[in-house]
Amino acid sequence: EDQVTQSPEALRLQEGESSSLNCSYTVSGLRGLFWYRQDPGKGPEFLFTLYSAGEEKEKERLKATLTKKESFLHITAPKPEDSATYLCAVQAAQGAQKLVFGQGTRLTINP
Amino acid sequence: DSGVTQTPKHLITATGQRVTLRCSPRSGDLSVYWYQQSLDQGLQFLIQYYNGEERAKGNILERFSAQQFPDLHSELNLSSLELGDSALYFCASSVGTGRTEAFFGQGTRLTVV
Repeated sequence: EDQVTQSPEALRLQEGESSSLNCSYTVSGLRGLFWYRQDPGKGPEFLFTLYSAGEEKEKERLKATLTKKESFLHITAPKPEDSATYLCAVQAAQGAQKLVFGQGTRLTINP
Repeated sequence: DSGVTQTPKHLITATGQRVTLRCSPRSGDLSVYWYQQSLDQGLQFLIQYYNGEERAKGNILERFSAQQFPDLHSELNLSSLELGDSALYFCASSVGTGRTEAFFGQGTRLTVV
């Protein structure tokens, strides 16, 4: 069964303090790995899609990387507005095209 | 704004009742997905439709059903509601069925009392 585990569950950083969020996955053939940002009471907001090991994508202070077993979301010099829950999801190459989500990392950036 | 519209935003109803949640996908998107998010379960896939046809089923209860209409909007019907059905219900849409990202609506918060 496809599975996604995110760590840590929660992370508090000071403004400007860089860090990384981890997403470990097991899937029977990866079609894509997705990162979303979710604010409280809102729908997930699409950030990145990664398709193959070694791929990297960047957007403002965020950079996502992918290996065969895990993905990292690096956040550089974060600001308070980066506070949110970050969700990782995988889509298998075969069968249903559903996204299997991890439980998320709740990120808080203190000013 | 993702372009996916869900109504209503909030719904409060009693146990045993039936409700219908509505989703309008982004313009041009043929796939619609429904997800349930509760505090202890995270985001759980319920069902997918593609161009009017059911494509995949996840952990959807028999009391729940969905459909996608010719204009591509979708409805999720929840019946014989129980307290445990209280959750956020999200609709997402994507262009097709391949390597495409899904865009989520703002959700419907269902409270069963």
